[in-house]
Amino acid sequence: GAVVSQHPSWVICKSGTSVKIECRSLDFQATTMFWYRQFPKQSLMLMATSNEGSKATYEQGVEKDKFLINHASLTLSTLTVTSAHPEDSSFYICSATPPVGQGSPLHFGNGTRLTVT
Amino acid sequence: AQSVTQLGSHVSVSEGALVLLRCNYSSSVPPYLFWYVQYPNQGLQLLLKYTSAATLVKGINGFEAEFKKSETSFHLTKPSAHMSDAAEYFCAVSDSGGYQKVTFGIGTKLQVIP
Repeated sequence: GAVVSQHPSWVICKSGTSVKIECRSLDFQATTMFWYRQFPKQSLMLMATSNEGSKATYEQGVEKDKFLINHASLTLSTLTVTSAHPEDSSFYICSATPPVGQGSPLHFGNGTRLTVT
Repeated sequence: AQSVTQLGSHVSVSEGALVLLRCNYSSSVPPYLFWYVQYPNQGLQLLLKYTSAATLVKGINGFEAEFKKSETSFHLTKPSAHMSDAAEYFCAVSDSGGYQKVTFGIGTKLQVIP
């Protein structure tokens, strides 16, 4: 149980275009989803926390207009990288968490490798 | 603020040898502590977690970790390394059981030598 599907697993896009990454909780309702960015050989950096039906909370230094997060349903959150540039190339990972008392937290997707050319 | 420090970004062990990955934490409240494993180009898989129920926590794949408040440590161990254990390991801390913000360490890459 507690499967999180992240799609696509990898994507290559041209500089200036936008890319959407989806994170779905397949067998539980995720009231909270987290988006992380991982640079090569580094740890996960929390980008934002999204709660279903409300605006995402971004970490300091993360551009909310560049990384658009939508959490419109209890099973789906999306991250859109707008006007992508090569420096946005990275590994993006989502995690989904059910409400307290309804299951263990932090179920991770398999990540999305974004390459901007 | 909470933080974790993983000592040693790379650890090499021989197959069959003891695995010891170090993690020290800093927290102003009783912490929840986690160990995750990441294989190349994949997400994170939970190995084990400490939630104050018992100081010695057993996880999957033969791993265990001991919470030592006096040393603010939560080191990960496995008695006998297997080739399939080669991966990146992350220690993490939360003040909410993981339901809110979780802070990850920088990771330790484990190499298993045949």
